[in-house]
Amino acid sequence: DTGVSQDPRHKITKRGQNVTFRCDPISEHNRLYWYRQTLGQGPEFLTYFQNEAQLEKSRLLSDRFSAERPKGSFSTLEIQRTEQGDSAMYLCASSNRGTGDGNTIYFGEGSWLTVV
Amino acid sequence: QKEVEQNSGPLSVPEGAIASLNCTYSDRVSQSFFWYRQYSGKSPELIMSIYSNGDKEDGRFTAQLNKASQYVSLLIRDSQPSDSATYLCAVSKDGVTGGGNKLTFGTGTQLKVEL
Repeated sequence: DTGVSQDPRHKITKRGQNVTFRCDPISEHNRLYWYRQTLGQGPEFLTYFQNEAQLEKSRLLSDRFSAERPKGSFSTLEIQRTEQGDSAMYLCASSNRGTGDGNTIYFGEGSWLTVV
Repeated sequence: QKEVEQNSGPLSVPEGAIASLNCTYSDRVSQSFFWYRQYSGKSPELIMSIYSNGDKEDGRFTAQLNKASQYVSLLIRDSQPSDSATYLCAVSKDGVTGGGNKLTFGTGTQLKVEL
């Protein structure tokens, strides 16, 4: 499968615990994005990377959230001290800047987080 | 004013009819426009992208863009029950090779195609 891969697909955690999500983008895609989606809303942008550089972070991304893409390939999104309001689907996506298809963003299947 | 606005629906159409989905955006510098389909519990799936004013057709789908009116629409011809989903409009300030700067999404329109 050459699509965007996310792990885990579902996570239930107790409030106050830390969680980490992993994303493997489409091979050779240089841009990687994280979005969050809650019920009845469209996806909301959190952050994106160009290779290993984090180029933009949304104000939605509080200090409890951190994202990395250490080698410009896979990425992790960590949420510390989870709160019930963090319950959402976390979507990873990738694109390939500079190509004819460069502005097309492909989403993974998402990681569902439930904080109890 | 929301950056991207869509009627949340639901929009109900009979099988075989044309479904018309609409979207308006507020930022005039937006250059790229997308329609995603999202089934319940699933991630968004790209249906169409459009960058220039006018119509773009792909199978049963036609996207229409009017930058002067800041308006994007999606027509689905010969609607099928399998088209029942939420349709998300998204805009970007990047051009076609820009690499996909962040997308700003609307809240989506729920489409129901009835037998």
